[in-house]
Amino acid sequence: KNQVEQSPQSLIILEGKNCTLQCNYTVSPFSNLRWYKQDTGRGPVSLTIMTFSENTKSNGRYTATLDADTKQSSLHITASQLSDSASYICVVTPYGNNRLAFGKGNQVVVIP
Amino acid sequence: EPEVTQTPSHQVTQMGQEVILRCVPISNHLYFYWYRQILGQKVEFLVSFYNNEISEKSEIFDDQFSVERPDGSNFTLKIRSTKLEDSAMYFCASSESPQGGEQYFGPGTRLTVT
Repeated sequence: KNQVEQSPQSLIILEGKNCTLQCNYTVSPFSNLRWYKQDTGRGPVSLTIMTFSENTKSNGRYTATLDADTKQSSLHITASQLSDSASYICVVTPYGNNRLAFGKGNQVVVIP
Repeated sequence: EPEVTQTPSHQVTQMGQEVILRCVPISNHLYFYWYRQILGQKVEFLVSFYNNEISEKSEIFDDQFSVERPDGSNFTLKIRSTKLEDSAMYFCASSESPQGGEQYFGPGTRLTVT
């Protein structure tokens, strides 16, 4: 069964600080790996998408990395802002179908 | 910027009743999806739809569920006889292309079954 595991489950960081979120997956082979941001009560919004051949992708203060050999990805948030408080979800698309495999998310709370 | 919309935002229904959740995908998208997220759990794939038929469905998508594109703009999810465990957030998504195509999610419908 496809699995996407994320850590830490939740974290609290001070405004202006950096943080790194981890994603380990067992989906293989896969087409792409995405990071989504989900605000409470809202739908997920795409931050980055990487194919298996890419190992880094940036979107403003968000930088995602991918190591397809170890099946690990990370999302780094630089200079966090209060609006970064959300759940960050790692999603893997298996090769050959559209059944996205979602992680449970990293719940980030940024405090002043 | 075009976006996926969903109605209603919150639906409360009694166990055993039928519900229809509505979605308007982005207009030039051809692939449509339904997901659900039980409170505190991860998002789960339900079904994908293309060219007026189901492309893939998960084990969750049993005979109680059906999807339809009744006209050129709406995409609906019907639950025939709701159960308490159907209470969840239901997200619709659409994409221009399958596999690797960016999926854009709607804001969700919160379904509460009492």
